[in-house]
Amino acid sequence: DADVTQTPRNRITKTGKRIMLECSQTKGHDRMYWYRQDPGLGLRLIYYSFDVKDINKGEISDGYSVSRQAQAKFSLSLESAIPNQTALYFCATGQDPGQPQHFGDGTRLSIL
Amino acid sequence: AQSVTQLGSHVSVSEGALVLLRCNYSSSVPPYLFWYVQYPNQGLQLLLKYTTGATLVKGINGFEAEFKKSETSFHLTKPSAHMSDAAEYFCAVVDTGRRALTFGSGTRLQVQP
Repeated sequence: DADVTQTPRNRITKTGKRIMLECSQTKGHDRMYWYRQDPGLGLRLIYYSFDVKDINKGEISDGYSVSRQAQAKFSLSLESAIPNQTALYFCATGQDPGQPQHFGDGTRLSIL
Repeated sequence: AQSVTQLGSHVSVSEGALVLLRCNYSSSVPPYLFWYVQYPNQGLQLLLKYTTGATLVKGINGFEAEFKKSETSFHLTKPSAHMSDAAEYFCAVVDTGRRALTFGSGTRLQVQP
């Protein structure tokens, strides 16, 4: 089983819909992250969490919200999806800044 | 905040040729630096990580990176490209303010037979 699991892997939805992307991990890491990937832009940080009570905005948090339900679960929501949120979304975990992050396989989200 | 610049969004090499992917970072202190690789339809995998004090860092699959503080560079190399190296490569630095990764824009490596 994967250490970092993202669901769904693919999602097509319409403008204005509420979407939730889920991430769970078995690494036992305290830190969890959400990134989005767009061609030519690399990965950009949306939100991150250092524990269930510590949620922080990243560089592109507008239009997104998150919930850290437990140490192992971190979900990303789009309250009212818009087409420019079409992207590949990654969840990652880590234990401290100097150590590598571990990534899920991504969720490909298309908003029509 | 730290930033990372990857020169060249696409690099094409012949099988067996040298691979050189460029990365420059902006930081006044030695940072935490990483190279990740992304194969199609997959997440990112760690290739290698900079360790304080090292100049040449060895990673998986024959890749290595040279840390040059004077040039604020951390270029990735492999002496002989293999078809299986075709992927997208990302350089990343830890943003000490956010304590999260800041990624470069990525370089897509093509390997021609």
